[in-house]
Amino acid sequence: DIQMTQSPSTLSASVGDRVTITCRASQSISTWLAWYQQKPGKAPKLLIYKASSLESGVPSRFNGSGSGTEFTLTISSLQPDDFATYHCQQYNSYSSFGQGTKVEI
Amino acid sequence: EVQLLESGGGSVQPGGSLRLSCAASGFTFSSYVMSWVRQAPGKGLEWVSTNSGSGGSRYYGDSVKGRFTISRDNSKNTLYLQMNSLRAEDTARYYCARTHTRGYGGYDYDHWGQGTLVTVSS
Repeated sequence: DIQMTQSPSTLSASVGDRVTITCRASQSISTWLAWYQQKPGKAPKLLIYKASSLESGVPSRFNGSGSGTEFTLTISSLQPDDFATYHCQQYNSYSSFGQGTKVEI
Repeated sequence: EVQLLESGGGSVQPGGSLRLSCAASGFTFSSYVMSWVRQAPGKGLEWVSTNSGSGGSRYYGDSVKGRFTISRDNSKNTLYLQMNSLRAEDTARYYCARTHTRGYGGYDYDHWGQGTLVTVSS
C-alpha cells in the first residue's frame, strides 16, 4: 500500500499569506496526485488533479507541483474562503489519502 | 447539475449489517466508474471501494475486503454498498464519489455526495 504523509498537520496563516502544503508518497506515484479542499460538515472539493492541473472553476491562486514522491500545494494569496482542511490523494495504485492539513487563522 | 445523494446510514451493533445507497442524477450514470470513500470522525479520508460503469469490476480497500460489497443498478442510477460484519472502526461518514480521471491504478473524484453517517457501537 502507498502511504501519503502531509505536512504540516496544522498551519496558521493570515489573509494575503502565501501558503505551501507538502505531500509525500511512500513510493513513486508519477504525477497521479490530487488535492482537495474540505470545509467543516461538507464534502471534499477537487482543486488539482494530475499533480498540477487546475480543476475547472478553481481560482488560479491554487497551484500544484511535484512528481515522483514529493508534491506541493501552494495558495499564492490566502483568501478568507480558503480557511479549510486540504487533503492529498494518490491514484497511482488504487487510492489513498494523506491525513489532511488544516489551514487556520 | 450533478447530484449524488447517499442514504441508509444509521446506528448498528458490532457484527451487524447495513446497506448504503447513492442516488445519482445529472449525468449518464452508467458511463462512470463510481466509488465509496469514508471519513471517520475527526480523521482523514479513506478509499473504500470502486465499481466499474458496467458493475462488472469491483475493487476494495484492505480494511473492508471480504466484508463489504459494492454494486450498482444502472437502470435506477443508484450505487450501493452492502456492509456486513461491521466493526467499531467502520464508524464514519460514507461518501459516494464520481470518478474524474483515471490514474495508473486508480481515480480522482470530481463530485461527491454529502455523505451518510454510519455508527457501529454496542
